[in-house]
Amino acid sequence: GAGVSQSPSNKVTEKGKDVELRCDPISGHTALYWYRQSLGQGLEFLIYFQGNSAPDKSGLPSDRFSAERTGGSVSTLTIQRTQQEDSAVYLCASSLGGWSNQPQHFGDGTRLSIL
Amino acid sequence: GDSVTQMEGPVTLSEEAFLTINCTYTATGYPSLFWYVQYPGEGLQLLLKATKADDKGSNKGFEATYRKETTSFHLEKGSVQVSDSAVYFCALSDDTGANSKLTFGKGITLSVRP
Repeated sequence: GAGVSQSPSNKVTEKGKDVELRCDPISGHTALYWYRQSLGQGLEFLIYFQGNSAPDKSGLPSDRFSAERTGGSVSTLTIQRTQQEDSAVYLCASSLGGWSNQPQHFGDGTRLSIL
Repeated sequence: GDSVTQMEGPVTLSEEAFLTINCTYTATGYPSLFWYVQYPGEGLQLLLKATKADDKGSNKGFEATYRKETTSFHLEKGSVQVSDSAVYFCALSDDTGANSKLTFGKGITLSVRP
């Protein structure tokens, strides 16, 4: 497709389980971002990829969170030992080159619910 | 660090009313400014952008002008429609630091009644 694709669209899991969220960016976009949207915290930056490298991981809230990107394309965000405070919508965005004047295009998000 | 402040919501207007949503920012560099919109049940969509001082972004009847002197990027529309009901986010991105991540305001919910 032409847009950013995220899967699954919804994920419900039990506290303590690991989850993997997937993002397929727009073809040719070298920059990829993960954000989290929650009621209390609004929209927060998590991690940025340029190609397969992650020069900025400063937004990851704890060492239970990790992400990788392979082939300069698909990215996965992994949350280990999930906690209830991890419940949120996880958004992925991509942009052409990662410059500030280039708009970021968002996927529809993964709604994560931790029971 | 960078920050974006939006006016408190929610906002309820009648159809064809004039809309202004205030947004001010602080940034270390020379940021690009954006308005994103989230319609009910949908993802974030870029509404408009401005990349330098005095630029005006416009789309779908919405406008916003990058005012460096007042560090503002207020969103306006002359005549709102019911279909404009959504959550609106002001955001900035700059090239200082490690990346051009977006810093968002808290968002404001707009409801337009017929």
